Amino acid sequence: GQQLNQSPQSMFIQEGEDVSMNCTSSSIFNTWLWYKQDPGEGPVLLIALYKAGELTSNGRLTAQFGITRKDSFLNISASIPSDVGIYFCAGQRETSGSRLTFGEGTQLTVNP
Amino acid sequence: ETGVTQTPRHLVMGMTNKKSLKCEQHLGHNAMYWYKQSAKKPLELMFVYSLEERVENNSVPSRFSPECPNSSHLFLHLHTLQPEDSALYLCASSPQKTDTQYFGPGTRLTVL
Repeated sequence: GQQLNQSPQSMFIQEGEDVSMNCTSSSIFNTWLWYKQDPGEGPVLLIALYKAGELTSNGRLTAQFGITRKDSFLNISASIPSDVGIYFCAGQRETSGSRLTFGEGTQLTVNP
Repeated sequence: ETGVTQTPRHLVMGMTNKKSLKCEQHLGHNAMYWYKQSAKKPLELMFVYSLEERVENNSVPSRFSPECPNSSHLFLHLHTLQPEDSALYLCASSPQKTDTQYFGPGTRLTVL
């Protein structure tokens, strides 16, 4: 099936540092979504992107929908300990109906 | 805070048991989903319901049986499971089938 390549797989950073992660695909998506999952919980939607080139912010988080529609990145500025968790990207195509294709996740650890 | 709730949050069952997972959404959405999340693997879509009708079944073994009695409730009936079925089972909902999905906290299932 279709896959998203999400990188890095894990990150260990110091509090206050900025973080960047991205997802790439060989196929075009019409929607890109970024979710965060805390241990023992379900994914929580952070940012949704619906248009190529779109740059959207949610507090310290910024995400962009790549111009080619085959990639997206998520930046977190001035990280804090509660940013710890797994971040997932997900892509959706009009032709696939409701089906989301998920990346494998980026495990973020923030050291105080 | 989430508008999608799941019960139980944790379940341990033997291979001969029958159990059910419950999902309820309080968002007025028309589509509901079951996902399986195994360690170090992307989320796997299992079933999609739209307006109480099953619209996708992604080659899921028959030991998993979904039920959607109304647009607010979704069940996953489990029977004769295998240890490899141990995973986090996530429910999600969206306004319509192609809209952004919102996840519940999941049920951590362990099959002995």
